[in-house]
Amino acid sequence: GDSVTQMEGPVTLSEEAFLTINCTYTATGYPSLFWYVQYPGEGLQLLLKATKADDKGSNKGFEATYRKETTSFHLEKGSVQVSDSAVYFCALRTPSGNTPLVFGKGTRLSVIA
Amino acid sequence: DTAVSQTPKYLVTQMGNDKSIKCEQNLGHDTMYWYKQDSKKFLKIMFSYNNKELIINETVPNRFSPKSPDKAHLNLHINSLELGDSAVYFCASSQGLHDYGYTFGSGTRLTVV
Repeated sequence: GDSVTQMEGPVTLSEEAFLTINCTYTATGYPSLFWYVQYPGEGLQLLLKATKADDKGSNKGFEATYRKETTSFHLEKGSVQVSDSAVYFCALRTPSGNTPLVFGKGTRLSVIA
Repeated sequence: DTAVSQTPKYLVTQMGNDKSIKCEQNLGHDTMYWYKQDSKKFLKIMFSYNNKELIINETVPNRFSPKSPDKAHLNLHINSLELGDSAVYFCASSQGLHDYGYTFGSGTRLTVV
């Protein structure tokens, strides 16, 4: 079945450091790919998405590129802030009917000043 | 205006009790979902409804029964609560198309004692 694999956390970075959170997927067909963010005590918010190969999703300084050849969708940010501390989820959704989002296990990011 | 609202936000109850969690969305979406998030932050789909019809029912104990009186509401009723039901339950909605992500509620933290 469809699945998403994320790098294990937690990830701890100093402010202004470069962030990469790896995400790879297994899916039939051509899924849409998403990154969601969950701040402490809150629900999940859509951070960015890409719906076809080579698309780049971006938002709030975060970027991820849909790489079909490596089945990856790694999340990057050039300079993290303390306010970026959260749990990040990679997810996919395949185009067959009302398929649910399939999530990775989440990666907790802590940014220290 | 809250797009997807869940009530209650916190629920503490004793083993064996029956409880309900309510969810409403004002986005005009056709599809609604319930996800369970365990203590390790792993998100697992439980149910999905499209236009009031059940379309996904994962391997969830039959003590859990979803009810959708209309496409803007999806409630979750749980009978005979067990300790292992303690988790955060998230409601979400979507357009029903695969290239759209979900809009999540802020979650209901259920604690069974």
